Amino acid sequence: EAQVTQNPRYLITVTGKKLTVTCSQNMNHEYMSWYRQDPGLGLRQIYYSMNVEVTDKGDVPEGYKVSRKEKRNFPLILESPSPNQTSLYFCASSTYSGMTGEQYFGPGTRLTVT
Amino acid sequence: GQNIDQPTEMTATEGAIVQINCTYQTSGFNGLFWYQQHAGEAPTFLSYNVLDGLEEKGRFSSFLSRSKGYSYLLLKELQMKDSASYLCAVSLGGFSGGYNKLIFGAGTRLAVHP
Repeated sequence: EAQVTQNPRYLITVTGKKLTVTCSQNMNHEYMSWYRQDPGLGLRQIYYSMNVEVTDKGDVPEGYKVSRKEKRNFPLILESPSPNQTSLYFCASSTYSGMTGEQYFGPGTRLTVT
Repeated sequence: GQNIDQPTEMTATEGAIVQINCTYQTSGFNGLFWYQQHAGEAPTFLSYNVLDGLEEKGRFSSFLSRSKGYSYLLLKELQMKDSASYLCAVSLGGFSGGYNKLIFGAGTRLAVHP
């Protein structure tokens, strides 16, 4: 089954404790992206990657890191989480050049930083 | 700066037609997405318009006018299951048909009543 998986689905952590949210896709997609979703603000892009070893900042990259060492994986790293990073996070993937433009989203990770 | 505007909330009656508008002012434009998102779930792809005009897909149609910075999503024969948020997003940069950065509007929450 074609899918994007994220782990963990729920996480409660404390300020300053480094964490990683994993994202994996099995569709051989070139493009992957991370978003956060907050009430009233909609989805905001954190980082995106157009292929292995090619990443770039989205609208809200501060406080986050990413890496793309393999095509299927695109982990999101919070080196020193703060309460303002409490949010719902989505990973998504798509073919880069496709005219259809369809992005497949993972199920989301709800993060709470206390 | 980048700006995408959608109405915050709309209500409609089962069986009716509803039009959700989206206006955008962005530096660069490759195409416009519409996504549907049910509460607590990931967004799912509805449409992607690159060229001006109307694209129809079953009960859903999407229109784009690049000169006016305007799009709408038309939902016909509304069903209760159409109660969801509808997200408008603009893709920036990249080569024709491809995309790099994505900017989302805050979403329109549609409530369908019997």
